[in-house]
Amino acid sequence: SQTIHQWPATLVQPVGSPLSLECTVEGTSNPNLYWYRQAAGRGLQLLFYSVGIGQISSEVPQNLSASRPQDRQFILSSKKLLLSDSGFYLCAWSVRTGRNSPLHFGNGTRLTVT
Amino acid sequence: AQSVSQHNHHVILSEAASLELGCNYSYGGTVNLFWYVQYPGQHLQLLLKYFSGDPLVKGIKGFEAEFIKSKFSFNLRKPSVQWSDTAEYFCAAAGGGADGLTFGKGTHLIIQP
Repeated sequence: SQTIHQWPATLVQPVGSPLSLECTVEGTSNPNLYWYRQAAGRGLQLLFYSVGIGQISSEVPQNLSASRPQDRQFILSSKKLLLSDSGFYLCAWSVRTGRNSPLHFGNGTRLTVT
Repeated sequence: AQSVSQHNHHVILSEAASLELGCNYSYGGTVNLFWYVQYPGQHLQLLLKYFSGDPLVKGIKGFEAEFIKSKFSFNLRKPSVQWSDTAEYFCAAAGGGADGLTFGKGTHLIIQP
């Protein structure tokens, strides 16, 4: 069966420090991969999605970036965190088909920037 | 631009009451619709989805949703809620590509025993 792993579960980082959140999927090949952020009162916001290795699409301009070095690995990064980057970050995957299939979410990372 | 609106941010009900959570979408072309649930301390799970066909969709745990194209709505319903239904509920919509879903802001449902 397919599983998705996301770590760390919680993270407290000072303003200006770098960020690296990692997400891996097991049990499937060629998935679509996504990074979402859930901010209080704002619901879920799509940050990045990827349909293949090295293929990243950005939905929202910001100081975050994403990379997909391997088929089932998706990394969210920042060179310098801002206070506004605090939130709950969710990685998700879906089957790569011609239409949107349901997303399967990881457990999330709660990031607090101080 | 695509958007999803959930009418109620907080809903408090007693056990055995009936539930209806509103969701409206604004989407051009083909639309796929979803309801997700996030129980306290757990990750997001899919409740149900609509792609095509019968507009009344049945999901897990007794939930159902009705797609009304003329009203651009996809409301979630359950005839009799339980205390364990306390959770955050998200409506989501997507087009026909691989560009992810657009989520509503969520509805926090509290069921009082």
